[in-house]
Amino acid sequence: KQEVTQIPAALSVPEGENLVLNCSFTDSAIYNLQWFRQDPGKGLTSLLLIQSSQREQTSGRLNASLDKSSGRSTLYIAASQPGDSATYLCAVQATNSGYALNFGKGTSLLVTP
Amino acid sequence: DAGITQSPRYKITETGRQVTLMCHQTWSHSYMFWYRQDLGHGLRLIYYSAAADITDKGEVPDGYVVSRSKTENFPLTLESATRSQTSVYFCASSESAGQGYEQYFGPGTRLTVT
Repeated sequence: KQEVTQIPAALSVPEGENLVLNCSFTDSAIYNLQWFRQDPGKGLTSLLLIQSSQREQTSGRLNASLDKSSGRSTLYIAASQPGDSATYLCAVQATNSGYALNFGKGTSLLVTP
Repeated sequence: DAGITQSPRYKITETGRQVTLMCHQTWSHSYMFWYRQDLGHGLRLIYYSAAADITDKGEVPDGYVVSRSKTENFPLTLESATRSQTSVYFCASSESAGQGYEQYFGPGTRLTVT
């Protein structure tokens, strides 16, 4: 079974800092890796999707990388803002999972003014 | 442009009652999914559907029933609710499956079973 781990579980940074969130997974046979944002009491917003054949994806201040062979992905957030405060979830779609997403437990990010 | 909607957003029910959570998407996506989110477990798949009249179990299907008579709707029924089914339920959809296809999530239904 695919296991997805996110480190750290929580992170607090001052506004303006660049930061990295980490995600690791145990089975490299994947279709995609998807990063989500979840605000308290809200649904999941898709941030970036990296296909298994890709190394990275960028959207604005966000950059996600994928190293499939080592089972790792990172989400880089540049010039963090208080509005970035949320929980960030990493999810992997394994080829043997019936297209389900296997989620990590998330990193709770607080950006202080 | 509604996207994917869920109803109700909040529901309180009693143990043993039947409850149906609704999910509707306006994109004509083929795939639809039901996940539950619990503290300490993260999100786990309950059921998914590849097309109308095609459904399959996920990781935690016991106590749940799904149907998909129309592409746009994917209701989830708790046949006899238990306290362990207290959770936040998310519906998701995807245009297709495999490499390159994102899953898009609804706003969730917070269900409390007393």
